[in-house]
Amino acid sequence: KAGVTQTPRYLIKTRGQQVTLSCSPISGHRSVSWYQQTPGQGLQFLFEYFSETQRNKGNFPGRFSGRQFSNSRSEMNVSTLELGDSALYLCASSLRVDNEQFFGPGTRLTVL
Amino acid sequence: QKEVEQNSGPLSVPEGAIASLNCTYSDRGSQSFFWYRQYSGKSPELIMSIYSNGDKEDGRFTAQLNKASQYVSLLIRDSQPSDSATYLCAVNIGRYGNKLVFGAGTILRVKS
Repeated sequence: KAGVTQTPRYLIKTRGQQVTLSCSPISGHRSVSWYQQTPGQGLQFLFEYFSETQRNKGNFPGRFSGRQFSNSRSEMNVSTLELGDSALYLCASSLRVDNEQFFGPGTRLTVL
Repeated sequence: QKEVEQNSGPLSVPEGAIASLNCTYSDRGSQSFFWYRQYSGKSPELIMSIYSNGDKEDGRFTAQLNKASQYVSLLIRDSQPSDSATYLCAVNIGRYGNKLVFGAGTILRVKS
């Protein structure tokens, strides 16, 4: 069974731009979560989607948003990029609630 | 108080020894707990999940959970140099759905 895939793997943007990241979960997994990882803050939860609905949200500003499609694929968007948004963005999928989450390879975003 | 706490390490053990990694958490209502391994430049890889008090063994890995003490641990028997990585403790604090909170991680170094 194929794992979680994320595209693109690397992105370079400038301040003020916006970016869209994509995640395809493991086949059959309906829950998709997004995380941000930085050296200073570690791994932080952004949000979780299940059946096209945002079910949980972390403590990030409204510039960070996401959505999920009917095939469970998910996208996250960051608008008005700031230097501090440079990070590894990770997507994880799970079969159901309170279940093991499996991570994709991540998208490395650099904001200049 | 951070929600999930781990000693940052590094924890150094000789090859063949038992490595013991510890984690405490603050949310008494949490029901699911996970250990991830992360190699430098890679995404987290799930190695153990535990939901009930007691021990859970999988190969060389044993996870231990004590909900009364709000304590989770991971034992790695017969440690190998390939076990050298950062080990992340994660706790699901979501009441409806998945919302993982991660510790800062413990760096493990296995010396041959």
